[in-house]
Amino acid sequence: SQTIHQWPATLVQPVGSPLSLECTVEGTSNPNLYWYRQAAGRGLQLLFYSVGIGQISSEVPQNLSASRPQDRQFILSSKKLLLSDSGFYLCAWSLAGLYEQFFGPGTRLTVL
Amino acid sequence: SQQGEEDPQALSIQEGENATMNCSYKTSINNLQWYRQNSGRGLVHLILIRSNEREKHSGRLRVTLDTSKKSSSLLITASRAADTASYFCATDAFMTGGFKTIFGAGTRLFVKA
Repeated sequence: SQTIHQWPATLVQPVGSPLSLECTVEGTSNPNLYWYRQAAGRGLQLLFYSVGIGQISSEVPQNLSASRPQDRQFILSSKKLLLSDSGFYLCAWSLAGLYEQFFGPGTRLTVL
Repeated sequence: SQQGEEDPQALSIQEGENATMNCSYKTSINNLQWYRQNSGRGLVHLILIRSNEREKHSGRLRVTLDTSKKSSSLLITASRAADTASYFCATDAFMTGGFKTIFGAGTRLFVKA
């Protein structure tokens, strides 16, 4: 069966510090991968998606970047965090061509 | 702007009652999905309804889709305290390489025991 992992679960970082959030998927090959951010009590904002290794598309201009160094690994990064980067970050995967997405447990990031 | 918007934003009911949540969207779709999110957790897919379907059932869930009104509803029958969660509708939009899923802001459901 397929599983998706995200870590860390929670993170508190000072403004200006770097960020690296990791997401890995098991039990499937060549998935589409997604990074979302969710503000408190709000819906999900798509940040990045990837249809293959090294293929990253950005949805909104921002302080973050994403990379996909391996088929089932998706990394969200920042060189210098801003206060506005605080939020709940969710990674998800789907099979190519299918609509249903499977979400990881999320990382709650607080930037102080 | 968001493709899907849920109504109401929040709903509080007694256990055993039915809960109805609505979703409106703006552009043509191929599918509409409903997801559930427990507090502080990831989303879980509940049901997908295709644009050529009008109604779909899954256990205590009933989803309807009216493409002429660009709206969908999610009905949870005989609600339980464990149904307390946020519920999101999601619609698809084409993007480079395929399509993307756009989520609404969600309805927060609270079921009182």
